[in-house]
Amino acid sequence: QSVLTQPPSASGTPGQRVTISCSGSISNIASNFVYWYQHIPGTAPKLLIFRNNQRPSGVPDRFSGSKSGTSASLAISGLRSEDETGYYCAAWDDNVSGPVFGGGTKLTVL
Amino acid sequence: QVHLQESGPGLVKPSETLSLTCTVSGGSTTRYIWSWIRQPPGKGLEWIGYIYDSGTTKYNPSLKSRVTISVDTSKNQFFLKLRSVTAADAAVYYCARGSGGVAEFDSWGQGTLVTVSS
Repeated sequence: QSVLTQPPSASGTPGQRVTISCSGSISNIASNFVYWYQHIPGTAPKLLIFRNNQRPSGVPDRFSGSKSGTSASLAISGLRSEDETGYYCAAWDDNVSGPVFGGGTKLTVL
Repeated sequence: QVHLQESGPGLVKPSETLSLTCTVSGGSTTRYIWSWIRQPPGKGLEWIGYIYDSGTTKYNPSLKSRVTISVDTSKNQFFLKLRSVTAADAAVYYCARGSGGVAEFDSWGQGTLVTVSS
């Protein structure tokens, strides 16, 4: 059972906009920055969003993040086939004194 | 650009110690925080612990009694030891470079699969 809660799956058609939610608590999302990672199985996870809504250089602006209270969301607009992979949210947890992750969401592009 | 690579046995017997090495190239192990993170089959990511270049460590409370993370800055390597493993410790183990107080990991290894079986 992951500390942060994500839907196990999401889907959309090419060109569509999809959102992936991440639910936490006061000790993590509400109090700290949220991060999103894209993970293609067998490869190194890639930082997609940092500090709630910032994109590292090289990440397309199709990807955006937001946070409100104890929840956060990752939005992907203009969906492409190469976006079909796993996405994980993460945040520092003040109770654990370390980072906690969501269970991951597998995105399917129909 | 920094590159991280995990190495170590892919098979560990129950009750024995899992030992992994993360080799950092293209950068130094100084001035960063180095973490181990794992992903059991079909499950999400779990932070195991981290170490500063100074040697200060912090572990996930759920694993603290069995984990030791160490660093050798002269070799640009850091290490994971997980004692008394069980089947629940079978996972893909990742090393990653991070920052203190946040869940930001800007560089990851591609992971190494560890199976626990006699």
